[in-house]
Amino acid sequence: SQQGEEDPQALSIQEGENATMNCSYKTSINNLQWYRQNSGRGLVHLILIRSNEREKHSGRLRVTLDTSKKSSSLLITASRAADTASYFCATFAGGGNKLTFGTGTQLKVEL
Amino acid sequence: DTGVSQNPRHKITKRGQNVTFRCDPISEHNRLYWYRQTLGQGPEFLTYFQNEAQLEKSRLLSDRFSAERPKGSFSTLEIQRTEQGDSAMYLCASSLIPESYEQYFGPGTRLTVT
Repeated sequence: SQQGEEDPQALSIQEGENATMNCSYKTSINNLQWYRQNSGRGLVHLILIRSNEREKHSGRLRVTLDTSKKSSSLLITASRAADTASYFCATFAGGGNKLTFGTGTQLKVEL
Repeated sequence: DTGVSQNPRHKITKRGQNVTFRCDPISEHNRLYWYRQTLGQGPEFLTYFQNEAQLEKSRLLSDRFSAERPKGSFSTLEIQRTEQGDSAMYLCASSLIPESYEQYFGPGTRLTVT
């Protein structure tokens, strides 16, 4: 079963704009990860944030985590057409041994 | 390329037939996972191996499904007596626990049951 949901389900922006995706989850976690999936390709790991962290940066990516609200957000700054993909959050629960994925956000970046 | 590989990439089969998929993980990774993904959804966990031991199976993994990882290297996922509801993308991933919780995914095997 899915751990939670992502919002929005779909997002369309112009190149150069920022994209923000939100993820909510249901149980306590060890860490939360974001993955990207291009059409016809496998999932690629983007960034991991541990439960005791509140914010993390990697290049054009910024992730926040609010464990009290069981939510996370992914910000992609200065988006590019190549960022067009589906983005999934996935939680690794404390004591668990697997990733539980959200439903995903489809991002389209137009030229 | 030393990433995770999966074969075949596509499989079309008739209902009732058996199919087997193969996954070759990154060589030094001790964990190997199988997920299933249907259109418009995120991947759902099926099972995972720590070296050659299968340590957890999802309730999604009915008796028709069996997975192996002999010698802790490659893994196979077999589906017996396929049903149309088995049509999905089957994803394999590997990781090196506890050094990293990041999982490396293969390109997947798309199964279509007609």
